[in-house]
Amino acid sequence: EAGVTQFPSHSVIEKGQTVTLRCDPISGHDNLYWYRRVMGKEIKFLLHFVKESKQDESGMPNNRFLAERTGGTYSTLKVQPAELEDSGVYFCASSQDLFLTGAGNTIYFGEGSWLTVV
Amino acid sequence: GIQVEQSPPDLILQEGANSTLRCNFSDSVNNLQWFHQNPWGQLINLFYIPSGTKQNGRLSATTVATERYSLLYISSSQTTDSGVYFCAVDRGSTLGRLYFGRGTQLTVWP
Repeated sequence: EAGVTQFPSHSVIEKGQTVTLRCDPISGHDNLYWYRRVMGKEIKFLLHFVKESKQDESGMPNNRFLAERTGGTYSTLKVQPAELEDSGVYFCASSQDLFLTGAGNTIYFGEGSWLTVV
Repeated sequence: GIQVEQSPPDLILQEGANSTLRCNFSDSVNNLQWFHQNPWGQLINLFYIPSGTKQNGRLSATTVATERYSLLYISSSQTTDSGVYFCAVDRGSTLGRLYFGRGTQLTVWP
């Protein structure tokens, strides 16, 4: 079974440019999350999709960030325009069904997309 | 949000040594997971353990939910165990939203 896959793995862009990160969750997982870790800080939640709907987007830092999940499958996270402080690692994660007990609540992470804004 | 504190922040071991990593959290939780971030940045799920004890090879974990802490044990450390170990929890009221600790940076020398 394929895990959570993210693209690109690394991206270097100039301040003011746009970057779009993509995430393919584990097949069959309705829940999809975006997290990020900026330098020296802990990993922080950005938002949570249930299928194509945004369940919780309270962690999105500002309106330069736009996340979509068309059709409830893959998701994209666009940063426009990028600022220096957006540099960090952006993780995508997915889980099956939050109302299952046991290992069904396990959240699986992708390898992350490293973003450097110069 | 919920506060998650991990200790120690850094740990340096020689190969073969045992270690215990601790995670304290400030509120009751619905989910607790331990992750290992390897040197390539990948977050690997180690345990889903909101309570009780689990073992997987040289690793084991115990969560005492009533006292709001979890322990990760690594026995007979190997150089491949190096990396950052994260504890993350979610509260029942915010299902799926994990709160991470700052991690424990483990370095195992041959």
